[in-house]
Order: sequence, then C-alpha cells, then structure tokens
Amino acid sequence: AQSVTQLDSQVPVFEEAPVELRCNYSSSVSVYLFWYVQYPNQGLQLLLKYLSGSTLVKGINGFEAEFNKSQTSFHLRKPSVHISDTAEYFCAVSDPSPGNQFYFGTGTSLTVIP
Amino acid sequence: DVKVTQSSRYLVKRTGEKVFLECVQDMDHENMFWYRQDPGLGLRLIYFSYDVKMKEKGDIPEGYSVSREKKERFSLILESASTNQTSMYLCASGWGPSGETQYFGPGTRLLVL
Repeated sequence: AQSVTQLDSQVPVFEEAPVELRCNYSSSVSVYLFWYVQYPNQGLQLLLKYLSGSTLVKGINGFEAEFNKSQTSFHLRKPSVHISDTAEYFCAVSDPSPGNQFYFGTGTSLTVIP
Repeated sequence: DVKVTQSSRYLVKRTGEKVFLECVQDMDHENMFWYRQDPGLGLRLIYFSYDVKMKEKGDIPEGYSVSREKKERFSLILESASTNQTSMYLCASGWGPSGETQYFGPGTRLLVL
C-alpha cells in the first residue's frame, strides 16, 4: 500500500504572497498524483492531477504542482494567494488497478491572512 | 458536470441505531467509494466497489457494511451506531481501472449520541 505525507498540517500566509504545500509519497513505481481542495462544509474538489507527460501540471485557480520522481514528491504552489484560497488541501496517490484505490495525506490547512 | 449526491448533509442518531447513508452518481462510473474524514487523520477508506454487487474492504471496514444493487447507488450501513462513528462521511465515484480522478459528494456529517 502507498502512504502519503503532507509535511505541514497548517500553513498561514499573507494575501498576495507565494505558497508551497508539500507532499511526499512512499513508492517509486508508476503512480498517479492528485491535489484536492476542500472548502468548509463541502466535499473535495479536484485542483489538478498528474498522470503522465510534463512534470509541471497546471490546475484551477492558478495552482500548479511539480512531479519529482527521484524525490517522490508532488508539491503544490501558487505564486500569489487570495483570501478565497483559505481551505484544506489534500494530496492523493492512486494505484492503477481494478478499484482505483486512492491514498490520501492528512491534509494541510491553508489560512490566507489579509 | 459530474454529480455525486449524498442523501443527507447532517444526521443525528442514537447509539445502537441502524444508519443508512446513501450515495448516487450520475456518470455511469464503475467505481464507488466510502471514506470517513476525521481531524488530523485525513480521509480513510471504509469500503469500495468496482462493479454492481461487488465490494472490497478498505482500511477501516469494522462496524460498517455496504450495498451496491445498482451501478449508480452505493450505500453505507452502520449496523449498530456507536459514538466513535461520529464523523464526516464522504462518498466518491470514478472510472476504473486506470486510476483516474475520483469525484466527491458534499459529505454527510454524522453525530452519534
């Protein structure tokens, strides 16, 4: 089974500053990688995903992530955050097999300070 | 747009009650999943299903069962609710077996008294 580590449980950042949310996973075999965002009292919404190809992936709301196979990392970045980016962010790894099981990190709470 | 709906947003039950949580998806997805979400623990997989009438245990199946009689509907059953099952329950669906995206419902916040 995979394991996913999100190194920071809480990240406070000032509005318009850049942010990086870190994610590492356990296996070096081929995997698919995802970042989801959860706003208060809502389900998870897909931000971006890496399946293959370019290691730099662009998603919604100005977010991007870089897949680094040698470091088994998939860090999420945004050059300038807004108040509306305040939310919980989850990194996930999927194991391409029947059932498509996902493994989630414990989440990073991003708080944007005005 | 993919839509995953859950029967209740908030639910309050008493210890020992039988609880049904329903999830419906409208995208003809083969795979469906039930997770519970607790602070500091992230999402933990309870059960999943990759076909009608098929089910597989996830990481924390104890105290739960599931039913998938139709492709679009996946039910989570708490046979005898306990206080330690107070949690947020999230349903998801997706295509398989390629490992593609999972789409989530809005969640059901269950309180067991």
